[in-house]
Amino acid sequence: GAGVSQTPSNKVTEKGKYVELRCDPISGHTALYWYRQSLGQGPEFLIYFQGTGAADDSGLPNDRFFAVRPEGSVSTLKIQRTERGDSAVYLCASSPTRLAEGSSSYNEQFFGPGTRLTVL
Amino acid sequence: QQQVKQSPQSLIVQKGGISIINCAYENTAFDYFPWYQQFPGKGPALLIAIRPDVSEKKEGRFTISFNKSAKQFSLHIMDSQPGDSATYFCAAILSGGSNYKLTFGKGTLLTVNP
Repeated sequence: GAGVSQTPSNKVTEKGKYVELRCDPISGHTALYWYRQSLGQGPEFLIYFQGTGAADDSGLPNDRFFAVRPEGSVSTLKIQRTERGDSAVYLCASSPTRLAEGSSSYNEQFFGPGTRLTVL
Repeated sequence: QQQVKQSPQSLIVQKGGISIINCAYENTAFDYFPWYQQFPGKGPALLIAIRPDVSEKKEGRFTISFNKSAKQFSLHIMDSQPGDSATYFCAAILSGGSNYKLTFGKGTLLTVNP
C-alpha cells in the first residue's frame, strides 16, 4: 500500500511569508508526527497527534508554528512570518494504533520523504 | 543539550568490510533504541532496534551491540555493500508516557566503495 506522502516536495518562499506543508499518513494510522531535519542534523520532534488532537506540541519552536489535523487523517503544518532559520526538511511520520499510557512497546513510525523548505 | 551523541560523522568502507557506528546517551529513562537508514530524498526507515535488557541483536548483516552500564550502543554492518551507502541515525525513546518521541543522533554518512 501507499506510504506516507508529503506535499510539496520542495517549497521556496521569501522571508516573512506564510507557508503550509501537507502530510497524508498511511491509511488507518491514528498517530501522526512532525519532525524537522536541519542540514547535517538528525530529525527533531515538533508535534504529535493522536486522532484529531495534538497530544504533544512541546517541540514547536515558537508560536509562528502551528499544525492541525481536523479529520484525524491529513495534517497541515503551518508556518507564519517565515524566517531564514526555518529552512529545513520537514518530515511527517505516522504509526498505527495508540499505545497504552506507560506501555513498554514502541509503535514503529513510518516516515514520508519530507518537504524541503527554503526561506530566502 | 544533545541527548544522543553519534560518531563518526562520516565513514568510508570498502565493499565487504565492516562498518561500525557508535552512539552514546545520557538519559537512563531511554528504553528503546532504534537505528534508522536514510537515502537521499527519502525519509528515515527503521532498520533494527534493541531494548536495554538485551546486549546484542542481529538481523541479517546488521547487528546492534548494547552496553547499558556505559550507556553506549553501536551498529555493525557486516559485509558492507555499495547499496548500504546512506545516512544512518541512532535514536532513543523514553519509557512511559512519552514513548513516541524519537530523539535522534546527528547521523553518520556511510559510503561503501565498490
